[in-house]
Amino acid sequence: EAQVTQNPRYLITVTGKKLTVTCSQNMNHEYMSWYRQDPGLGLRQIYYSMNVEVTDKGDVPEGYKVSRKEKRNFPLILESPSPNQTSLYFCASSLRGEQYFGPGTRLTVT
Amino acid sequence: GDSVTQMEGPVTLSEEAFLTINCTYTATGYPSLFWYVQYPGEGLQLLLKATKADDKGSNKGFEATYRKETTSFHLEKGSVQVSDSAVYFCALENFNKFYFGSGTKLNVKP
Repeated sequence: EAQVTQNPRYLITVTGKKLTVTCSQNMNHEYMSWYRQDPGLGLRQIYYSMNVEVTDKGDVPEGYKVSRKEKRNFPLILESPSPNQTSLYFCASSLRGEQYFGPGTRLTVT
Repeated sequence: GDSVTQMEGPVTLSEEAFLTINCTYTATGYPSLFWYVQYPGEGLQLLLKATKADDKGSNKGFEATYRKETTSFHLEKGSVQVSDSAVYFCALENFNKFYFGSGTKLNVKP
């Protein structure tokens, strides 16, 4: 089954404790992306990747890092999380502009 | 910068009513336009897309036409069902970056 998986689905952490949210796709898509969803703001793109070793900033990259060492994986790293990064995060992979989204990771930073 | 504006919700309709959700955009160049739907607790799913002016995207009875002269991509359905209750997002892709509207919640009552 074609899918995008994310882990963990739920995470509660404390300010400053580094964390990684994993994302994997099995569709061999070159384009992958991370978004955060906040009430009233829709989805905002954090980072995207056109292919392995190629990443670029989206609209809200501050406080986040990504890497793309393999085509299927695109982890999101928060080196020092802060409460304003509490949000719902989605990973997506894309073919010809059509995005396939993961189920989301709800992150709470206290 | 590029952006998407869509009508605020929630929109409440009776079953079999006509639906319109307005979406306008600001972008340089020739963006592709999309409508995504999000059911409770799930990631977004592509509903339809249009890649150039005057294209009409359609799927599951929903339609939207790419109007460059009015920079709009309004979503329509002739007869909504209770199962259409969800949050609908208008989005654009331009130069490999994606921009989403804030979402419009649709409630359909039997």
